[in-house]
Amino acid sequence: EMQLLESGGGWIQPGGSLRLSCAASGFTFSNCAMGWVRQAPGKGLEWVSGITNIGGSTFYADSVKGRFTISRDNSKNTVSLQMNSLRAEDTAIYYCVKGFYTSPRSSWFDPWGQGTLVTVSS
Amino acid sequence: QSVLTQPPSVSGTPGQRVTISCSGSSSNIGTDDVNWYQQLPGTAPKLLIFSNNRRPSGVPDRFSGSKSGTSASLAISGLQSEDEADYYCAAWDDSLNGAVFGGGTQLTVL
Repeated sequence: EMQLLESGGGWIQPGGSLRLSCAASGFTFSNCAMGWVRQAPGKGLEWVSGITNIGGSTFYADSVKGRFTISRDNSKNTVSLQMNSLRAEDTAIYYCVKGFYTSPRSSWFDPWGQGTLVTVSS
Repeated sequence: QSVLTQPPSVSGTPGQRVTISCSGSSSNIGTDDVNWYQQLPGTAPKLLIFSNNRRPSGVPDRFSGSKSGTSASLAISGLQSEDEADYYCAAWDDSLNGAVFGGGTQLTVL
């Protein structure tokens, strides 16, 4: 069974940094693009970032470009999201998602992790 | 304001058929496959329909998807109380170089 388990969420002050991690199991990690999707409290889904299967290319939403960095370690089956210069509007549940293809240029996400909550507030 | 446009809410009675529309543009739905997600209350989203009209194993055939031009739709027939959830459409946008979602549609089973 494919599984994704996020960690690293929590409360952080505006301007601070946080690193999210996602541990994958149940599939050949190095064959699949990975990504992050977030959901602000009571709001809809927003794609955040994606990375190719070997990490050669990364993609970001305009709202996080220059502040967030996605990376992966295929030897450990993990994908991470380094979040810097955090703002109140970054407050959300962050979901780790597996892509179907090697490229993240798709909206096909399956499965999703259970999510980790990031709260940016003073 | 979401790039893909969905109605905020739809409702139906048990056994009824409902449809949820998703409107986009030539840079997203017009050129890429549409995927649909179901989010039950308090849970993570789940892939419901992929590649416009295909169902993952385990998804009942009461759920179906279609796409035409720059629009797509999700149909749910034989509505059941457990179908109460939020539904999202999604596509890759070549102009934005990122995935885009609809704003979500809340389905209420009366």
